[in-house]
Amino acid sequence: QQQVKQSPQSLIVQKGGISIINCAYENTAFDYFPWYQQFPGKGPALLIAIRPDVSEKKEGRFTISFNKSAKQFSLHIMDSQPGDSATYFCAASMDSNYQLIWGAGTKLIIKP
Amino acid sequence: DVKVTQSSRYLVKRTGEKVFLECVQDMDHENMFWYRQDPGLGLRLIYFSYDVKMKEKGDIPEGYSVSREKKERFSLILESASTNQTSMYLCASSWSTRDTNYGYTFGSGTRLTVV
Repeated sequence: QQQVKQSPQSLIVQKGGISIINCAYENTAFDYFPWYQQFPGKGPALLIAIRPDVSEKKEGRFTISFNKSAKQFSLHIMDSQPGDSATYFCAASMDSNYQLIWGAGTKLIIKP
Repeated sequence: DVKVTQSSRYLVKRTGEKVFLECVQDMDHENMFWYRQDPGLGLRLIYFSYDVKMKEKGDIPEGYSVSREKKERFSLILESASTNQTSMYLCASSWSTRDTNYGYTFGSGTRLTVV
């Protein structure tokens, strides 16, 4: 019940296209859902996060869509650029517990 | 700019050596974490600490120990390095209040090779 399942494992998108990465969780007590972006040779960095009181959060070209009833959330990257090529991790936690439960990661490649 | 600094980017150690990986954060965060990252396995939590001198085992603590004598510093210790501990090691810190979680800040990682 603590797992976060992330898909796909890898994704190739043409420049200018929309990249979509999905995550699903079981624990309904989760109330914080961040996405992290990791470039080769670097640690992951917080990209965007959402709490379950809203269904969508947008920051520039990055949008989180959140479906509480389906226990799913997804990251959409609009107008994908080669500089977006990275590994993306979703995660979840309860505010009462500072530990993040991580998805397995998605390696995204944007083809020029 | 807030920072988590890991002492080494690359380390090569011999089997059986005692290895120390150091992590320092300058954000006054209470929580600190050690992860290892291996291809196809994502991020796996080794140990974490929510206060000075406090430590908790994560998912894969075997063969590791930690030390947190000061709030800003969290050390990972490989008691007797083995080749299956060859990996990328990532340190992170975070801040949380009673009711709210905030994001993690990661270091750039230490790539450890045990030969």
